Amino acid sequence: AQKITQTQPGMFVQEKEAVTLDCTYDTSDPSYGLFWYKQPSSGEMIFLIYQGSYDQQNATEGRYSLNFQKARKSANLVISASQLGDSAMYFCAMREGIGGATNKLIFGTGTLLAVQP
Amino acid sequence: DGGITQSPKYLFRKEGQNVTLSCEQNLNHDAMYWYRQDPGQGLRLIYYSQIVNDFQKGDIAEGYSVSREKKESFPLTVTSAQKNPTAFYLCASSIRENTGELFFGEGSRLTVL
Repeated sequence: AQKITQTQPGMFVQEKEAVTLDCTYDTSDPSYGLFWYKQPSSGEMIFLIYQGSYDQQNATEGRYSLNFQKARKSANLVISASQLGDSAMYFCAMREGIGGATNKLIFGTGTLLAVQP
Repeated sequence: DGGITQSPKYLFRKEGQNVTLSCEQNLNHDAMYWYRQDPGQGLRLIYYSQIVNDFQKGDIAEGYSVSREKKESFPLTVTSAQKNPTAFYLCASSIRENTGELFFGEGSRLTVL
């Protein structure tokens, strides 16, 4: 069965420093997609970045990059130059299969990131 | 602007009452989803729908019901059979193609008194 594990309940980082949020996954499907979402205190889920299992390059979106290590089944999120507005809950998620009729995602338990001035 | 609208944002209910959460999208997405979020836990899938008049149970469907009479709308009813309904509920939608990114509403917080 597919599973997402985020082992860091909470983390602190100094403003302007980089931080890595860990995510490991388990699936027997060779085709899958990995996602990171940000949830501020207001509650909405904001999509950050996506990595497909067949993508050769690590995904990047502005200050966000995904450190994809397929053999280790890890998909860590790296946030460079942290800002106070990055303080939020961060969720890793996975979808088995690519291009299917539905996009059911399973989510990890999240990591609460606090950026300190 | 295109997006997903959930209402109400906050809802209080007495035990034994059914309550319906609204979810409307104008993104022209085919698929819609309902997730439940509890403190310290990730999101868990309640129900999802690929097309109008069709929906499937997710991982925690017991005590919930849905309908999909229109492409734009996917209301969730929390019934009195749901043993622990106090939670944050998130509605999402997606298109079939592309990466499969989910677009979320702002959520509805249900408290049972």
